[in-house]
Amino acid sequence: GENVEQHPSTLSVQEGDSAVIKCTYSDSASNYFPWYKQELGKRPQLIIDIRSNVGEKKDQRIAVTLNKTAKHFSLHITETQPEDSAVYFCAANHAGNMLTFGGGTRLMVKP
Amino acid sequence: ETGVTQSPTHLIKTRGQQVTLRCSSQSGHNTVSWYQQALGQGPQFIFQYYREEENGRGNFPPRFSGLQFPNYSSELNVNALELDDSALYLCASSGGVEETQYFGPGTRLLVL
Repeated sequence: GENVEQHPSTLSVQEGDSAVIKCTYSDSASNYFPWYKQELGKRPQLIIDIRSNVGEKKDQRIAVTLNKTAKHFSLHITETQPEDSAVYFCAANHAGNMLTFGGGTRLMVKP
Repeated sequence: ETGVTQSPTHLIKTRGQQVTLRCSSQSGHNTVSWYQQALGQGPQFIFQYYREEENGRGNFPPRFSGLQFPNYSSELNVNALELDDSALYLCASSGGVEETQYFGPGTRLLVL
């Protein structure tokens, strides 16, 4: 099966700084890598996803990079804002679209 | 917000009881996946249903079972509840097996 590891488990940044969260996966057949943001007591919300036919995808302040050879992918948030504070989860698919999630990163953006 | 809904929002059961959780998919979605999220952890895949058939299963015992109905709504049933079953149960719907998954708000289950 798939194994996804996520680092760091907590990340504290100053408002306006950038934040980077990294994930590695084990199944070389994985080809879909979504990122979810989960605020306290709420559902995970998709913020960006990438498929293995591209190496980078950007959506305003959020970008994801994928290195299939090394089996790792990263989330980059620029110009962080206090409302970016949440837990972020990476995931990788296996056998279709069955997602395996990382352990999460608690991001705190200090005003 | 997504169009995925779940009921009930909260539930308290005692060990050994059975529970049924419900999920209504986003309009046009034919695939539902269920996840268990323990406190402080990432969601863990339980199983997926595609057009009323089980399409894959994670590392959960047979006392976790499911159904998907012709309108693509879904149920998760857990028999012989254990204390460790206490968690947030999330369903996610998608427009196909390899499409983006959108989560419902979850059902928080507490087993005493």
